[in-house]
Amino acid sequence: NAGVTQTPKFQVLKTGQSMTLQCAQDMNHEYMSWYRQDPGMGLRLIHYSVGAGITDQGEVPNGYNVSRSTTEDFPLRLLSAAPSQTSVYFCASSYQKNTEAFFGQGTRLTVV
Amino acid sequence: RKEVEQDPGPFNVPEGATVAFNCTYSNSASQSFFWYRQDCRKEPKLLMSVYSSGNEDGRFTAQLNRASQYISLLIRDSKLSDSATYLCVVNLNTGKLIFGQGTTLQVKP
Repeated sequence: NAGVTQTPKFQVLKTGQSMTLQCAQDMNHEYMSWYRQDPGMGLRLIHYSVGAGITDQGEVPNGYNVSRSTTEDFPLRLLSAAPSQTSVYFCASSYQKNTEAFFGQGTRLTVV
Repeated sequence: RKEVEQDPGPFNVPEGATVAFNCTYSNSASQSFFWYRQDCRKEPKLLMSVYSSGNEDGRFTAQLNRASQYISLLIRDSKLSDSATYLCVVNLNTGKLIFGQGTTLQVKP
């Protein structure tokens, strides 16, 4: 049972580099989202999607782009990495808008 | 004001103790509510959903008070393995989950 799969698990970037965090789910969930978690801040919503082709901004969207071309995949792009984007990133999916979310194992990103 | 507020703790309790966490939310349009558990910065995992009528799962009991906009989690007979961070989560019926900061529980032998 794969569930929600995130890659990579760890990444170190230099300031200004770009990269894509991958997220895939095999549960046919319509809803997918990206969160970042920083010490003392809890999980904060970056972007979310209610279905293929539909995305919207969350609480902290600046510096990140997303797209949802398929139900299964929801990649998160960092256009020009900054040290402030050092964080743990979690992808989540849920079957319906009111149901519980399932999380990937996280990506620990350090920007130097 | 944060949309979902929790006391970050830590709560330090002996094994066998009963401990309760509370959480308040600000958006009265919130539709569904959950408690998640998170270990050592691993991914959050669903502990239980919270229903208006209250619900129980073994040693865990969750309550929802819509009028006062708060959610509670009661853990009875605490085990060492209950040590974790407990996240209060509110769903605004849009697919967006809003997380509280989390409450840290340490159960001591």
